Amino acid sequence: EVQLVQSGAEVKKPGESLRISCKGSGYSFSNYWIGWVRQMPGKGLEWMGIINPGDSHTKNSPSFKGQVTISADKSINTAYLQWSSLKASDTAIYYCARRGPRISLDFWGQGTLVTVSS
Amino acid sequence: QSVLTQPPSVSGAPGQRVTISCTGSSSNIGAGYDVHWYQLLPGTAPKLLIYGNTNRPSGVPARFSGSKSGTSASLAITGLRAEDEADYYCHSYDSSLSGWDVFGTGTKVTVL
Repeated sequence: EVQLVQSGAEVKKPGESLRISCKGSGYSFSNYWIGWVRQMPGKGLEWMGIINPGDSHTKNSPSFKGQVTISADKSINTAYLQWSSLKASDTAIYYCARRGPRISLDFWGQGTLVTVSS
Repeated sequence: QSVLTQPPSVSGAPGQRVTISCTGSSSNIGAGYDVHWYQLLPGTAPKLLIYGNTNRPSGVPARFSGSKSGTSASLAITGLRAEDEADYYCHSYDSSLSGWDVFGTGTKVTVL
């Protein structure tokens, strides 16, 4: 069974750093791109970027370029989303998802709630 | 950031048919890129309902169907059920700038 399991909720202060994770199982992790999607409170889904865990090639959305870092460690089947200096506006649920057929997103993680507040 | 437009809400009684539109442009849906649909229920992982415009993944009921024409796509739910009350999003690819995935604005389906 394909599963993407994300790390737990985080509460951080502005200016702090953070890395959240997304662990895949039930399939060959290196062979499928992993994307990240943001959902701010009461808002819709936003595409952040995507990584190929096999070679760590990434492609960030223009809206998020320079704001976050996407990485992966194929040896432990895990993708990451990282901030060096959080802002209150980073408060959101972050989902990881596997790139599926016809560039859909066929399996999703359960989401990680990140709250940034002083 | 959304470049695909959906109605904010649709509603229907149990057993009825509802449709959700997803309107794009010549750089995404109109350029021939596939449209996919997802269901979001609070506290659960989003679920792929339709991929490649019309295809249902294994396990998705046949009550859900997708179509695409020109710069728009639609998701239809027939035989509406209480458990269909959720948020629905369309998703495609946009070739503007360096190319990126785009989502619709989202539609809340209410079962009356």
